[in-house]
Formats: sequence, structure tokens, C-alpha cells
Amino acid sequence: TQLLEQSPQFLSIQEGENLTVYCNSSSVFSSLQWYRQEPGEGPVLLVTVVTGGEVKKLKRLTFQFGDARKDSSLHITAAQPGDTGLYLCAGAGNSGGSNYKLTFGKGTLLTVNP
Amino acid sequence: NAGVMQNPRHLVRRRGQEARLRCSPVKGHSHVYWYRQLPEEGLKFMVYLQKENIIDESGMPKERFSAEFPKEGPSILRIQQVVRGDSAAYFCASSPTMEAYGYTFGSGTRLTVV
Repeated sequence: TQLLEQSPQFLSIQEGENLTVYCNSSSVFSSLQWYRQEPGEGPVLLVTVVTGGEVKKLKRLTFQFGDARKDSSLHITAAQPGDTGLYLCAGAGNSGGSNYKLTFGKGTLLTVNP
Repeated sequence: NAGVMQNPRHLVRRRGQEARLRCSPVKGHSHVYWYRQLPEEGLKFMVYLQKENIIDESGMPKERFSAEFPKEGPSILRIQQVVRGDSAAYFCASSPTMEAYGYTFGSGTRLTVV
């Protein structure tokens, strides 16, 4: 059983469209992070959210942490081909566990077609 | 300021050989983590080290795997007598504190066992 479920697994859209990807869990996390990973590279941190209900914006990306700190969403407005990549969510401190250890979802593979 | 440096980027080993993966953390970071990314699976925590100490190795297979982070030099993940199932991407991350907030990942070492 995957502790963090990400959906959809695959998403292929046209340039200019909006999209939302989700990260859900039955566990409570003290913090949640979103990463983007390109082929052959390591994950690159996009954002960390720590407060239930928190919303953070990074240019065209909007991240939300659920009120109960069990889920999160990433919304991209007017997607561009440069947004293509594997989007990973990762939680730390689940159910009072270690804050240094990240639990990752399997990711959403986003393809933005020109 | 260089990021996390991992080498080699690609490593091919025959079954039964040893694999040594190296990780130099971000300058000033004293906390190092190793994760493994198997095909079709998410990143999984392996081990957390501080200088000269293993803090948490709960994600490391009990046999054939070992890790160190000496006072001088890079962190080393060592896999003895490799098997095909060890084929994966191995990522190192470092952080300035004992929390997941400030993780920086390296580009990974892709191990292929033939």
C-alpha cells in the first residue's frame, strides 16, 4: 500500500491548458513537499508546505495543503512545454514520525505538447 | 556554490561485483540521505547519516548494503555482491539541518547489474 497516492499517474495536455494534480494520504504529515524531476536528473524542490490550509504560489504554480494535512494539490495555469516532467509529492513526519525522512508518491508524469 | 555531486552518473556491474556510489553534499551541509528509485516505484528512503555517524538505516537492506560519511571526504554507499534486483537509480540528498525542509538532491547514480 502506497502511503502517498498521486493522481493522475499520466497527464498529456496542450500548451495553454490548466491542470491539477493530487496527492492524497490517510496519514497526517507535518510537512509536504513538491518536486519536479526530469529524465536522468534528481528531484528539484518546488515548494514546502507546513500549515493546514496553506496556499503557496510560484509563478503559474499554485500549491495547497489540505486542512487536515493529509493531502495536497498542485495547479498549473497556462501550462508550457517547459513544465513537462515528473511531479512528485513527498511528506515528512507522518503520524508523528521522523521529520528528516521523506515518503514519496509515485509521481504524475506531465507532458505539455506545443 | 556547487550542489550535491554524485559520481559516477552511470555504473555497470556484473552480478557478484561490488558497487561504490559517492556523494559530496552541498558545502556546509552535514546531513546526508540516500534514496533508491526502482523502476515503477517511488523514491524510497535508505539511510540518514551525519559526519561519522549513521543516524537511521531503517530503509537499508540488512545484507550487502552499507553506508558511511567519514570526517573527510564524500559519503559512500557500498553494495557488495550485486544482484539484478539492485539495478536502480540511487539518489543522495543533503540538508543543513536534521529536517526535510532544506533537502537538495544530487543527479543520481544509475546502477545497472548485468
